Amino acid sequence: DTEVTQTPKHLVMGMTNKKSLKCEQHMGHRAMYWYKQKAKKPPELMFVYSYEKLSINESVPSRFSPECPNSSLLNLHLHALQPEDSALYLCASSPVAAEETQYFGPGTRLLVL
Amino acid sequence: AQSVTQPDIHITVSEGASLELRCNYSYGATPYLFWYVQSPGQGLQLLLKYFSGDTLVQGIKGFEAEFKRSQSSFNLRKPSVHWSDAAEYFCAVGPRYNNNDMRFGAGTRLTVKP
Repeated sequence: DTEVTQTPKHLVMGMTNKKSLKCEQHMGHRAMYWYKQKAKKPPELMFVYSYEKLSINESVPSRFSPECPNSSLLNLHLHALQPEDSALYLCASSPVAAEETQYFGPGTRLLVL
Repeated sequence: AQSVTQPDIHITVSEGASLELRCNYSYGATPYLFWYVQSPGQGLQLLLKYFSGDTLVQGIKGFEAEFKRSQSSFNLRKPSVHWSDAAEYFCAVGPRYNNNDMRFGAGTRLTVKP
């Protein structure tokens, strides 16, 4: 099973809402990632978890809060977002080792009104 | 700092024609190199990767890429394009021994004419 799943597929939220994005993998990977992708742009790295610990935070605003409750699951909690946060949010996972590939999920398309 | 450049924003080819997408990287040492494809509204699928060894790398869907150290390039090729190949293609680089820090090029959008 080389699949990374993400829910929901689409999400519309207001600027005062709190919502969460979920990512799951059952490949035994111990590194998981959140990327943000604006239209017609490449993915931009937001967070990296390695062995369930946050290892990279690319200066992401605090209205985005990641969580890795176990080795298979990665969440991204959203609160007080701005319209410019509307984007495709991609999750990826990889074994924590050199020469390993990141596997991407299909993404959650987020619209902030 | 590492960076990757895809000089072509948009390429149009006829179905059945050959394809070459360019990718140049800037890095102090030979990085790990990847090509990913993204269909509209979808996630990224790995086409192929180069870590070491043979500089001509075969991937899925009939794609191949050649690593040229002297030119700092990793161009993607396909001998005969199919209509289903229309998508966005991203070249990515990552430092050796740290796959947590992969960076993407701006992407090349491929349109296939019937």
